[in-house]
Amino acid sequence: GAVVSQHPSWVICKSGTSVKIECRSLDFQATTMFWYRQFPKQSLMLMATSNEGSKATYEQGVEKDKFLINHASLTLSTLTVTSAHPEDSSFYICSAAGTQNSPLHFGNGTRLTVT
Amino acid sequence: GEDVEQSLFLSVREGDSSVINCTYTDSSSTYLYWYKQEPGAGLQLLTYIFSNMDMKQDQRLTVLLNKKDKHLSLRIADTQTGDSAIYFCAERVGGGYQKVTFGTGTKLQVIP
Repeated sequence: GAVVSQHPSWVICKSGTSVKIECRSLDFQATTMFWYRQFPKQSLMLMATSNEGSKATYEQGVEKDKFLINHASLTLSTLTVTSAHPEDSSFYICSAAGTQNSPLHFGNGTRLTVT
Repeated sequence: GEDVEQSLFLSVREGDSSVINCTYTDSSSTYLYWYKQEPGAGLQLLTYIFSNMDMKQDQRLTVLLNKKDKHLSLRIADTQTGDSAIYFCAERVGGGYQKVTFGTGTKLQVIP
C-alpha cells in the first residue's frame, strides 16, 4: 500500500532557531501534499496544501512566512518552521495521495518541542 | 461549511463489538474516511466509503453510511486490546484535492 515517510519523528530546538521537516511519498508520486498540525487531545487542523512546482496554499490564520513549504519534486515536500517559539511546539503531520480520487495517507508525524 | 462531530470516548470489553459514530453537515461529501491514531503516531487509514454506498465491510470493520441523517459509523467486531487508539472520521467534499475535514476523534479504550 501507499507509504508516506516523515522525518524526523521528533525534534527539540531552541527558541529562535529554524527546523525543517521532510515528507516523502515512497511508492507513489504525489503532486499534492498536505501539512496538518495537531494540538494535544485535539483533531487535525490543515495548515497548508503543498503543490509540486508551485507555491503552497495556506489556510486562514497560518503565517506563510513562518511556515515555509517547499515541494520541489513529486515525492518530497518540506515544512520549515522559522524562528521557532514555544507556542510552535506541536505535532506536525503530512499527508499525500497518489491521485485526486485516492484517500490520504499520512506520515507518522513529527513532535516539535521548542525550548 | 463543513463540521464533523464525534463522541470523545468509548470504552468496551475485549471481545465485544465497538461502534464509533460520526455526524457531518455537508451533504455534498464525496468520500468519508476512518483513520486510526495510536499514541505519538500518525494516522493510519482504516477504510473509506464513497458517498453513494450504504455499507462497506472489510474483515472486522463495517462502515455504515446514512446519507439522509448524515451519519457515519464504524463497527469493530471482536474488539482487541490492540484496537485501543483514537479514531477519526473525515469527510472530503467535492472532487480533486479538496480539503479533508476531520472529526474531533473518539478515544477507544478496550478493557481486557
